[in-house]
Amino acid sequence: DAKTTQPPSMDCAEGRAANLPCNHSTISGNEYVYWYRQIHSQGPQYIIHGLKNNETNEMASLIITEDRKSSTLILPHATLRDTAVYYCIVRPSSNYQLIWGAGTKLIIKP
Amino acid sequence: DAGVTQSPTHLIKTRGQQVTLRCSPISGHKSVSWYQQVLGQGPQFIFQYYEKEERGRGNFPDRFSARQFPNYSSELNVNALLLGDSALYLCASSYWDGGTEAFFGQGTRLTVV
Repeated sequence: DAKTTQPPSMDCAEGRAANLPCNHSTISGNEYVYWYRQIHSQGPQYIIHGLKNNETNEMASLIITEDRKSSTLILPHATLRDTAVYYCIVRPSSNYQLIWGAGTKLIIKP
Repeated sequence: DAGVTQSPTHLIKTRGQQVTLRCSPISGHKSVSWYQQVLGQGPQFIFQYYEKEERGRGNFPDRFSARQFPNYSSELNVNALLLGDSALYLCASSYWDGGTEAFFGQGTRLTVV
């Protein structure tokens, strides 16, 4: 079973920041938080990952709470092309066997 | 640089037949994982291979098998196809079995009729 809980869907206005929450209350100390997205049944696209600290790259920012039981993915200036299903995944450091949940369907509206 | 390539992109098979799906990882990547994604659901882990050895197997029947070749490419075989095997089959590659991120191919859409 997936170790994460995400809202099934969210809307966001184009140009605004999209904040996608994820709960992972049973995360272990050696497990990373990963985010992928999937646009219209294409292959999933890696976005960002983190262990304890907040992370930022050219696509997004990842905010992890101090107790590591939840995180938020932030797309700073959402565009229509960001419409996709976003998956939050908890992964052990020892392998790449990802256990996926149902994800959040993010719809960016003009 | 070429990304993860999968072939074929689409495939139609009849119940009871066998199918082989192929994956070429990104150059330099030594780990390949396979996932099955049924319409409307997240991907489900099938196999992981690293350095030609199986590193993990998901909850799939023995009809599913895989292997990794010396050049790190991989094949997924499914025997005695069922209608329920219809899905998008995804391949992901990473540098090692615990690598920082995995990159996915565009998948093979298998339809069993």
